[in-house]
Amino acid sequence: KAGVTQTPRYLIKTRGQQVTLSCSPISGHRSVSWYQQTPGQGLQFLFEYFSETQRNKGNFPGRFSGRQFSNSRSEMNVSTLELGDSALYLCASSLATGTGGGYTFGSGTRLTVV
Amino acid sequence: AQRVTQPEKLLSVFKGAPVELKCNYSYSGSPELFWYVQYSRQRLQLLLRHISRESIKGFTADLNKGETSFHLKKPFAQEEDSAMYYCALIKGGSQGNLIFGKGTKLSVKP
Repeated sequence: KAGVTQTPRYLIKTRGQQVTLSCSPISGHRSVSWYQQTPGQGLQFLFEYFSETQRNKGNFPGRFSGRQFSNSRSEMNVSTLELGDSALYLCASSLATGTGGGYTFGSGTRLTVV
Repeated sequence: AQRVTQPEKLLSVFKGAPVELKCNYSYSGSPELFWYVQYSRQRLQLLLRHISRESIKGFTADLNKGETSFHLKKPFAQEEDSAMYYCALIKGGSQGNLIFGKGTKLSVKP
């Protein structure tokens, strides 16, 4: 079966712009989480969606937002981009939220802000 | 606060040598612990989880609640084990996000 698909793979944006990233989970998975990966901070949790509802949010500014559609596909949006937003953004899906679910990760979207 | 600590940024061993990647955590409840691995140019993938008590690719990890540790071990390292290894915990309940350590880069030399 298809894995977690993230689009686009690479993005270059200018400071002040906004960007939307997309994630299609594994078929049947209803939980989608987003993580930011940087060399300095490692993997940091952004937010999690389950059945179109945000269940949990990490410690990121309000410029970072997301949503989930009825087919479980998810998007995250970053407004007013800053240089520090340059990172690999990973999406992960699982059957359920909370314990017991191993997460399957996508290949990520590499965002570069110039 | 919940935290996962991987004290070694880089661990270098020779092929055939034993490997132990350390992971310590702080969490007041009963977490679920995982090891994820990221091979070069590949996506992050689940290696093993403590509730399964399984051995994957020769790796094992035992949860020690007294020492709040979840070290990853392999008796004989192979060159193909070279990768980034991340220890992670999940809080469970309605807040099910993974909390990752900073990762340890394992380099297995021939």
